[in-house]
Amino acid sequence: QSVLTQPPSVSGAPGQRVTISCTGSSSNIGAGYDVHWYQQLPGTAPKLLIYGNSNRPSGVPDRFSGSKSGTSASLAITGLQAEDEADYYCQSYDSSDVVFGGGTKLTVL
Amino acid sequence: EVQLVESGGGLVQPGRSLRLSCAASGFTFDDYAMHWVRQAPGKGLEWVSGISWNSGSIGYADSVKGRFTISRDNAKNSLYLQMNSLRAEDTALYYCAKGDYCTNGVCFHAFDIWGQGTMVTVSS
Repeated sequence: QSVLTQPPSVSGAPGQRVTISCTGSSSNIGAGYDVHWYQQLPGTAPKLLIYGNSNRPSGVPDRFSGSKSGTSASLAITGLQAEDEADYYCQSYDSSDVVFGGGTKLTVL
Repeated sequence: EVQLVESGGGLVQPGRSLRLSCAASGFTFDDYAMHWVRQAPGKGLEWVSGISWNSGSIGYADSVKGRFTISRDNAKNSLYLQMNSLRAEDTALYYCAKGDYCTNGVCFHAFDIWGQGTMVTVSS
């Protein structure tokens, strides 16, 4: 049972918009800790997608965006492309420990 | 080129020990915290342990506390994970990750560099 809760799966057709939620509590996201998002393509290591709740590292398309409110955060992907099919993970801190969400598998229909 | 290369994984019997290593290159290793993150087959990411730049702050997941020990050698640009009393549930791909993403003078505790992982299988 992960400290941060994500939906196991989401799906969307090419060109559509999908969102992935990450629900925490007052001891992690709600305590003010930043939320970061990672994309893991099949058979590869995770890649930093969003840092500091809503910022994109250079090279990440602006189709990806993040937000945070209260004890939750969200990742939005617009203009879905086949190459976006992957697992997505949120990450934050709980006290001094790193915590990950359980991961969400995005299927592009 | 910025990279992390893990080594030391393999097949080990329950109760035995294994030491993982992570060699860093392409960045100033001793400026950053480092972490170990694992992923069991078909499962999600699980943080294992982290260590600050000067080894002054160390943390462990409850699942490995008392059995695993993280360390680093800044002179060798290397991170280590000593794993004792291994259990079947420790079977996973173990990633080494750089723990701070710094941009425009501000650092965020996000993992911006990951190795390719080293597989640990605990089985009799």
